[in-house]
Amino acid sequence: GNSVTQMEGPVTLSEEAFLTINCTYTATGYPSLFWYVQYPGEGLQLLLKATKADDKGSNKGFEATYRKETTSFHLEKGSVQVSDSAVYFCALADYGGSQGNLIFGKGTKLSVKP
Amino acid sequence: ETGVTQTPRHLVMGMTNKKSLKCEQHLGHNAMYWYKQSAKKPLELMFVYNFKEQTENNSVPSRFSPECPNSSHLFLHLHTLQPEDSALYLCASSQDRGVGVGYGYTFGSGTRLTVV
Repeated sequence: GNSVTQMEGPVTLSEEAFLTINCTYTATGYPSLFWYVQYPGEGLQLLLKATKADDKGSNKGFEATYRKETTSFHLEKGSVQVSDSAVYFCALADYGGSQGNLIFGKGTKLSVKP
Repeated sequence: ETGVTQTPRHLVMGMTNKKSLKCEQHLGHNAMYWYKQSAKKPLELMFVYNFKEQTENNSVPSRFSPECPNSSHLFLHLHTLQPEDSALYLCASSQDRGVGVGYGYTFGSGTRLTVV
């Protein structure tokens, strides 16, 4: 079945460092792909998404490109801030006919130190 | 303003209590979901409703009882819970369970439940 694998955390970076969180997927067809972010004590918020191959989703300085050839959707940010400390979830839309779901990865915790 | 509101934000209950969690969405969505998020565990999908009909129950113990009176409201009734049920309970909604899933889910802020 469809699945999402993202890198294990936690990831600890210094402020202004470059961030990459890896995400790969297994799916039939061409699912939409998502990154969600969860700040402490909050629910998940949609960070960005891409709906087809070579699409780049971007928001708040974060980017991810839908790579069909490598089945990947890695999250990147050029210069992280302390306020980016959160848990990041990669997800894909598993349409499954009329019983679609989002399939989430296990989450990667990011801590950014000043 | 996320469009999905969960109440209460925090709940402490004894093992013999009965309580309910409430979720309300103002997005015009037709599918609603309950998730459980425990420390150091992946998100667990508990229940799914589509157009008010329950379409998924992922082997959730009967001490958790969902209710969806209309497409905008979702409840999770709790009774005789165990300490291991302590977790963050998240509600989410989507346009539907077909191609609408491709637009993603909108989550509420969650209810932090502690069972003592």
